[in-house]
Amino acid sequence: GDSVTQMEGPVTLSEEAFLTINCTYTATGYPSLFWYVQYPGEGLQLLLKATKADDKGSNKGFEATYRKETTSFHLEKGSVQVSDSAVYFCALSAYNNNDMRFGAGTRLTVKP
Amino acid sequence: GAGVSQSPSNKVTEKGKDVELRCDPISGHTALYWYRQSLGQGLEFLIYFQGNSAPDKSGLPSDRFSAERTGGSVSTLTIQRTQQEDSAVYLCASSGRGGDYSNQPQHFGDGTRLSIL
Repeated sequence: GDSVTQMEGPVTLSEEAFLTINCTYTATGYPSLFWYVQYPGEGLQLLLKATKADDKGSNKGFEATYRKETTSFHLEKGSVQVSDSAVYFCALSAYNNNDMRFGAGTRLTVKP
Repeated sequence: GAGVSQSPSNKVTEKGKDVELRCDPISGHTALYWYRQSLGQGLEFLIYFQGNSAPDKSGLPSDRFSAERTGGSVSTLTIQRTQQEDSAVYLCASSGRGGDYSNQPQHFGDGTRLSIL
């Protein structure tokens, strides 16, 4: 079945460091891919999405490119801030699927 | 507000009691989802409602769990005879209807933190 595998955390970085959180997927057909972020004590928020191969989603300095050849959707940010500390979830939604498949989440802590 | 609203935000109850969790989706959203997030774990799909169609209950972990959605809007997740392993954050999400459901992102509520003593 469809699934998402993302890099296990926790990840701890210093402010202004470069961030990469790896995400790979398994799906039949052509899924849409998402990154969600969950700040402490809050629900999940959509961070960015890409709906077809080679699309790049971007938001708040974060980027991810839909790579069909490597079935990946890695999340990157050039310079993280303390306020980026959160749990990040990679997810896919295949056509006509009733549920969105989420990765296990990666906890990011950014230290000043 | 315009977001997904869940209540209560926190619920503490004794093992064996029944609990009801409520979700108010974004107005006009036809799809509604329930997920469970256990401590340190990812999201576990529970149930999905789409309009007037029969719900997809394939993620419900046992027959103690049930959910309904009245009038295509508000949803209630009920857990009967709660067990300690039911302790988790229960998240509700809704999404709008597009030509291809898979493109519509889900909008999440802040969740209900359920603690079973």
